Amino acid sequence: DIQMTQSPSSLSASVGDRVTITCRASQGISNYLAWFQQKPGKAPKSLIFGASTLQSGVPSKFSGSGSGTDFTLTISSLQPEDFATYYCQQYNSYPITFGQGTRLEIK
Amino acid sequence: EVQLVESGGGLVQPGGSLRLSCAASGFTFSSYWMTWVRQAPGKGLEWVANVKQEGSERQYVDSVKGRFTISRDNARSSLHLQMNALRAEDTAVYYCASGGGPVPHIWGQGTMVTVSS
Repeated sequence: DIQMTQSPSSLSASVGDRVTITCRASQGISNYLAWFQQKPGKAPKSLIFGASTLQSGVPSKFSGSGSGTDFTLTISSLQPEDFATYYCQQYNSYPITFGQGTRLEIK
Repeated sequence: EVQLVESGGGLVQPGGSLRLSCAASGFTFSSYWMTWVRQAPGKGLEWVANVKQEGSERQYVDSVKGRFTISRDNARSSLHLQMNALRAEDTAVYYCASGGGPVPHIWGQGTMVTVSS
């Protein structure tokens, strides 16, 4: 199975900050990488697929990059509604696997 | 409005069975992959299974193979997860989700499954 490792596991930031979350795959996955946002008690929300393509309706403050084994999610100009847990997911091969999550908290 | 609504969760004893359902509306169900993802209390997301549009190709995480069966009824715009031989470690919120491919895009609100004696 492909292991997905996110860093950091938690992150404190302030409104207006720009933050970057990293996701590393245990083997190459081309660009078969997605990102999700989840708020407490809510279903996940899809943000990005294909490593860098925004899902419809997702604001351009979210951006993704990377290929192979190393990927990043960047969120610019943090707003209160952006504080949540973020997960990466590889879909290059089965079983599909998620990273452990990165909790983004308000400083 | 595009919507997925799960049902069928509840409390079941170890070794028991449950059948989860997911009712889709607001989109052409038969055109989309369907996925089950679960989340144990306080834990991260775990992909469980998915099925392609026509229902012929299904994939499962190893921990549920032989115990869970994903199926879909395109005529009724519904997705199901038959769960047998349930274990305590299957306790989780189960989400159904749809997507143009294996990446879920639209998510339901989830249904809680608790396996306990």
